[in-house]
Amino acid sequence: QQQVKQSPQSLIVQKGGISIINCAYENTAFDYFPWYQQFPGKGPALLIAIRPDVSEKKEGRFTISFNKSAKQFSLHIMDSQPGDSATYFCAARGSGANNLFFGTGTRLTVIP
Amino acid sequence: DAGVIQSPRHEVTEMGQEVTLRCKPISGHNSLFWYRQTMMRGLELLIYFNNNVPIDDSGMPEDRFSAKMPNASFSTLKIQPSEPRDSAVYFCASSPGQTRGEQFFGPGTRLTVL
Repeated sequence: QQQVKQSPQSLIVQKGGISIINCAYENTAFDYFPWYQQFPGKGPALLIAIRPDVSEKKEGRFTISFNKSAKQFSLHIMDSQPGDSATYFCAARGSGANNLFFGTGTRLTVIP
Repeated sequence: DAGVIQSPRHEVTEMGQEVTLRCKPISGHNSLFWYRQTMMRGLELLIYFNNNVPIDDSGMPEDRFSAKMPNASFSTLKIQPSEPRDSAVYFCASSPGQTRGEQFFGPGTRLTVL
């Protein structure tokens, strides 16, 4: 069973637009929520991460919004660029654990 | 820093053959993870090690799969015998330890079993 549910499966956005990817979880023991970015032929790489004691974290054009009560978190990519075209994975880690549970991924395409 | 090193990058083999995938984690990292990625199932954790000790192998599909970490700088994932449904990209990742969740992924090994 999928510990972290991710949507949408794919997303097409115009250059300059906002890309939004959503994730939901059930396990309240999760205490670390990273987003990974994967380009074709490469391994996933950490993009940005958040802990549940804050509701938002911003790094450049990338923002994570976190809603602890709803057990949801999302990635917002502002001013999306063609170079952002990649697959994005959300993930979660349990308190005291070391392994991550990944979502199923969202393939983002930013068209010029 | 060379990052996580995996070999081979591509492997094509015939059904029934033994396949061994190799991984060298980042020096100083205490944890190592093996993942499998397919279009159908996404990114699946197969097994992970802390300080060279297997912690959770519940993701290993069946007895045909085995993984070892004889020392802190080397790990193998073996499939014997291989089957066409094992075709996937296999990633190795390492992390500094429990207090930091970031995992650093290698470039992956694309396995094709004919």
